[in-house]
Amino acid sequence: AQSVTQLGSHVSVSEGALVLLRCNYSSSVPPYLFWYVQYPNQGLQLLLKYTSAATLVKGINGFEAEFKKSETSFHLTKPSAHMSDAAEYFCAVSDPRGRRALTFGSGTRLQVQP
Amino acid sequence: DGGITQSPKYLFRKEGQNVTLSCEQNLNHDAMYWYRQDPGQGLRLIYYSQIVNDFQKGDIAEGYSVSREKKESFPLTVTSAQKNPTAFYLCASTLGTLRTNVLTFGAGSRLTVL
Repeated sequence: AQSVTQLGSHVSVSEGALVLLRCNYSSSVPPYLFWYVQYPNQGLQLLLKYTSAATLVKGINGFEAEFKKSETSFHLTKPSAHMSDAAEYFCAVSDPRGRRALTFGSGTRLQVQP
Repeated sequence: DGGITQSPKYLFRKEGQNVTLSCEQNLNHDAMYWYRQDPGQGLRLIYYSQIVNDFQKGDIAEGYSVSREKKESFPLTVTSAQKNPTAFYLCASTLGTLRTNVLTFGAGSRLTVL
C-alpha cells in the first residue's frame, strides 16, 4: 500500500501567485513528514520537515507546510511564486515498516509562468 | 566542504553488461542509501546500509548488488539481471535517528542502456 500520495503530477502557476502542492499520507501512527525539492539533473534538497513538534512548519525559500492529522495531509504552500521555484517537489514519510529510510511520493513538477 | 560525490554523472551501457556506480561521502554519516528515480514514479529504495559490512534490501533490489566495506563508500552494481536499468540513480546518507532522518543526497548518476 502506498504510504504517501501527491495529487497532481504537474502544477502550473503564474509568478506571484499562491503555490499549493498536495500531499496525503496513510499511516496508522503519526509519521515524520518531509518535503524535498529537486532541480533538473540534480539531487534532492530538504525544504522542511515535520517531526511532531509545531504543526505549521516553515522551511527554506519561503515555503511552509501544515500537518493536519484529521485530514492526513501535509500540503506545501508558498504565498507568492517566483520563477526560481520551478522544480520537482517530493513529499516523503518515515518508512512505515520501521526501516530507517524514507518513502517518497511520485513527485509534483511545478511550472511558474511569467 | 562535506557532501556526497556520485560518479559517473552519465553512463551508457550495452545490454548484458554489469556497471558499478560510485558513491562516496565525507560527512561521517553511518547510514547510506541507493534510490532509483523514474519519471512519474518518485524515488524507490534499492538498498540501504546502516553500518559497515551490513546492508539490507529495499523495495526493488532484484538485479542490483552493493557492498559497504568502508564507512564512506557504498557502491551500487547494476547487473545484467536488471531488466530495465535505464534510470536516474541517487545516493543518500544520514546521521540522524528515525525521528529526524534528514537525508543528504548526491547529484545523481544517469544510466542509459543502449
